[in-house]
Parts: sequence; structure tokens; C-alpha cells
Amino acid sequence: QQQVKQSPQSLIVQKGGISIINCAYENTAFDYFPWYQQFPGKGPALLIAIRPDVSEKKEGRFTISFNKSAKQFSLHIMDSQPGDSATYFCAASQTSGSRLTFGEGTQLTVNP
Amino acid sequence: KAGVTQTPRYLIKTRGQQVTLSCSPISGHRSVSWYQQTPGQGLQFLFEYFSETQRNKGNFPGRFSGRQFSNSRSEMNVSTLELGDSALYLCASSGGVKGEQYFGPGTRLTVT
Repeated sequence: QQQVKQSPQSLIVQKGGISIINCAYENTAFDYFPWYQQFPGKGPALLIAIRPDVSEKKEGRFTISFNKSAKQFSLHIMDSQPGDSATYFCAASQTSGSRLTFGEGTQLTVNP
Repeated sequence: KAGVTQTPRYLIKTRGQQVTLSCSPISGHRSVSWYQQTPGQGLQFLFEYFSETQRNKGNFPGRFSGRQFSNSRSEMNVSTLELGDSALYLCASSGGVKGEQYFGPGTRLTVT
């Protein structure tokens, strides 16, 4: 019940396109859903996060869509750029500072 | 503010040895969490410390231990190293109103 399922495992997008990564969770006690971006040799960097009381949150080119009834959430990267090429992880926890349960990760490649 | 720092960045140890990794959180953050990242298992939670007390623990054997000091700096120790302990060990600190977790660059441990 602690799992977070992420798809796709890898994604190739053309520059300027929209990248979409999906996650599904089981534990209804999860109350905080962040997305992290990781470049090779670096630690994960917090991109954007959402709580279940809103269905969408946008920060720049990054948008989280949240569907509480379906227990799913997704990351949309608009106008994808080659510099966005990285591994993206969704995560969930019961509160914002507590134990994070991560998805398996999505390797995004944005072709120029 | 300076970010989360971890030392050392790279370590090579022999099976059976023990190792200590160090983490300095963002100034003012009192919570430190540790995660293990491997290609096969992804990102997995090890434990969390808050005000020198272990607040949460993941599903790792007792060979993995940690502690936190009064200045919020944290160390984790792995005893009797096994080949499977080769991984990137990440430390994350959290604090403030939002309680978001920020990761350090990690310590790359190789066990031979």
C-alpha cells in the first residue's frame, strides 16, 4: 500500500513539445506529492509539489495535475527544452517533511 | 543559504568493512532524512532524524544506523559492508513552514 507507480520509464520528446509523466498511488493517507528532477551525478532537486486540496498547480513551464478520486497525478512540461533532459521522480508522503515514497523514475530526453 | 552538503562525495570500501557518511543540513532545518538510490531498487527511505531523535525508519537491516547531533548535522553508518550496499546515499533536510525536503549531492559508495 506504500507504492507509487510511475510511467513511462523513458520518454523522448522533440524540443518545444509537451512531456507528460504519470504516477499512481495506493495509500490514501498520502497528503503531499512532490516531483523531483535529477541530473547525472547530482542529487534530486525539488521541482514542484501539490497537496490534494487542489487539482492543478503551475509553476512556469511545469504543471502538476492531481486526480484524488483516481489516486493519480501527473507532471506536464510545456515547451520542453534539451536542458530538461534528466530523470524525473514523483513521490508521495503523509506530510511535507516526512518519509517520501518515490516512483521508479522517468528518463526524459528532449531532442533539439 | 547554502544547500545540503554531504561528505565524502565518493568512497570505495571492501566487503566486511564499515563506513560513516556525513550530512550537514540547510541552516535552520532540524529534520534530516537518508535515502539509498540504486539502479535496481530506485530511491528508498532509510531513516529520519529530528532534534537528535530517530523519528522514522525504513526497511533496512540493523547494519544501517544513524544519528543526529545537536547542531542538526547527521551521520549514517553501515557496518559489515556487502556488495549490495554499493549505492548513492542521499541526505535530505527539511524545515520551515512548507517542510519541503531538499537533497544533497549524495555520497557514492562502492563496495568491492
